[in-house]
Amino acid sequence: DTGVSQNPRHKITKRGQNVTFRCDPISEHNRLYWYRQTLGQGPEFLTYFQNEAQLEKSRLLSDRFSAERPKGSFSTLEIQRTEQGDSAMYLCASSPRGQPVEKLFFGSGTQLSVL
Amino acid sequence: AQSVAQPEDQVNVAEGNPLTVKCTYSVSGNPYLFWYVQYPNRGLQFLLKYITGDNLVKGSYGFEAEFNKSQTSFHLKKPSALVSDSALYFCAVRDMLTGKLIFGQGTELSVKP
Repeated sequence: DTGVSQNPRHKITKRGQNVTFRCDPISEHNRLYWYRQTLGQGPEFLTYFQNEAQLEKSRLLSDRFSAERPKGSFSTLEIQRTEQGDSAMYLCASSPRGQPVEKLFFGSGTQLSVL
Repeated sequence: AQSVAQPEDQVNVAEGNPLTVKCTYSVSGNPYLFWYVQYPNRGLQFLLKYITGDNLVKGSYGFEAEFNKSQTSFHLKKPSALVSDSALYFCAVRDMLTGKLIFGQGTELSVKP
């Protein structure tokens, strides 16, 4: 097991384009989280999955953002009609089944730059 | 609403000196508190957590944290700083319903030789 994997590591796109990021959590981790981090700030919660069910979405997640976890394994985060304000590091994290006080394991993130 | 605050944007320490990175929290009920470290262009790495029990929690890389209920604080400490400890440090509180972490704004630690 190699930890939480995120692809791509870097994404440069032009304003108005759509982008999709992928997260592969640690095997058998049923909880999956997406966060956004801008320079000099702490990670901000975006959304949370338990298995394939999306159970919470932050108000930060505008209607241009959509996340899926179709089979309860990997997850994708799509941003439509990107804006310069979407430029940030997008982090994915997972945690084990049935242990609500267990730590979250983070991936290395996808750095998005919108030109 | 649960939250944590890190009052210092930056902490500067000389190598070999003790270091403290401050964190205060605001929660209803019992807090579940965490410290994470982030090196440049990397994800967050877990350092330690407080759930219950001893107020002094020991973690990775020689770090420890002291939980103080009366002061609602959870300061990160290390007796002797290393240059390699230079990084961003984040305090967080865990939402017990969803398990999500709510992070502070971070403190940049700089350890000079």
